[in-house]
Amino acid sequence: QKEVEQNSGPLSVPEGAIASLNCTYSDRGSQSFFWYRQYSGKSPELIMFIYSNGDKEDGRFTAQLNKASQYVSLLIRDSQPSDSATYLCALTGTASKLTFGTGTRLQVTL
Amino acid sequence: AAGVIQSPRHLIKEKRETATLKCYPIPRHDTVYWYQQGPGQDPQFLISFYEKMQSDKGSIPDRFSAQQFSDYHSELNMSSLELGDSALYFCASSPAGTNLLEQYFGPGTRLTVT
Repeated sequence: QKEVEQNSGPLSVPEGAIASLNCTYSDRGSQSFFWYRQYSGKSPELIMFIYSNGDKEDGRFTAQLNKASQYVSLLIRDSQPSDSATYLCALTGTASKLTFGTGTRLQVTL
Repeated sequence: AAGVIQSPRHLIKEKRETATLKCYPIPRHDTVYWYQQGPGQDPQFLISFYEKMQSDKGSIPDRFSAQQFSDYHSELNMSSLELGDSALYFCASSPAGTNLLEQYFGPGTRLTVT
């Protein structure tokens, strides 16, 4: 079992809709959680990070963390075709290295 | 805003050759991380440096070595290259070697071993 689990998708949502991406993790000692967006052949781009339980909003993006249930999610409101990419969930534990999930491919359709 | 710089962007080598990848972190970032991403895979942590000292080590082959220099740039040296080393190699930097700070990725070096 991978430390970080994501549904590989593709997750298809129509333009203007809300995209909901989910991630679960196995290590209860995980401390910081990150969402990266990666276009094919490009580098991961940091979208959101969250450390505390609850919601964190930044523009069209909202990250949600529930440490008791060991899940973290990313909501993208008003989805745009340019949001079509692979979204990587990542975390750190006591060490600062990032451990990634395999990513969820999001497709925003016109 | 300045970003992480990596060079070269593309590199083609033959089996058993050596390669050196370079990374220049964002100014005032003193921590550098190296990740390897194979086709269709998620990035895998290789090694990291904080204040020029190795801070953590992941699944880095013994054929690979790395260091961080006084100006905080880092180099990943790869010897006896194998076909399986073909991948995207990313460098990331963060302001300090803690687990609470976000890491920013460079554009990557695409290494092809033939």
